[in-house]
Amino acid sequence: DSGVTQTPKHLITATGQRVTLRCSPRSGDLSVYWYQQSLDQGLQFLIQYYNGEERAKGNILERFSAQQFPDLHSELNLSSLELGDSALYFCASSTPRFRGHDNEQFFGPGTRLTVL
Amino acid sequence: GIQVEQSPPDLILQEGANSTLRCNFSDSVNNLQWFHQNPWGQLINLFYIPSGTKQNGRLSATTVATERYSLLYISSSQTTDSGVYFCAVSPTSGGYQKVTFGIGTKLQVIP
Repeated sequence: DSGVTQTPKHLITATGQRVTLRCSPRSGDLSVYWYQQSLDQGLQFLIQYYNGEERAKGNILERFSAQQFPDLHSELNLSSLELGDSALYFCASSTPRFRGHDNEQFFGPGTRLTVL
Repeated sequence: GIQVEQSPPDLILQEGANSTLRCNFSDSVNNLQWFHQNPWGQLINLFYIPSGTKQNGRLSATTVATERYSLLYISSSQTTDSGVYFCAVSPTSGGYQKVTFGIGTKLQVIP
């Protein structure tokens, strides 16, 4: 158990809908990362938050948004869902080292999203 | 952006055999991790190893940062080692990192 929790574990929804994925980082970790793992794209970095602020952005679609709350949990919002958004979504957390360089990342169990 | 290449893409081993997985990266890095994704999809941390050598039981890893590669050694493989092994890196340049994963090495250990 990495100490990172994600809910829900599975989510089945229809095209055009909106869903929210939730992540709680390990105790003491200030950074939260979101990743998407699909069969054709592999593991893709989406976005990183550090202590409530967006720090780095990867291949995140405009239909997707995220935020990190004062208690450090994070939510990833996916809207206007398409079939191609079906994937495993991971959250990871870490403790910053220095000058913005991060330590080891620990991954949650993931949320498997199926869009029908 | 930084390129990460893993080899081999697929590997089938007899239980008890040893193997070496390789990760090449195209730019200098300040963060390199090896993960094992088990058949249930869980990503398990193996090593945080931006440089040097580490060992944990039957597994060990070496990163030669100056030559931009890392190796993961699996000795006396077991069926529970099956799954996909990923290398993930963060480039030194650009301040805050965008972590890049390789496509992985899919390992199957047969009894």
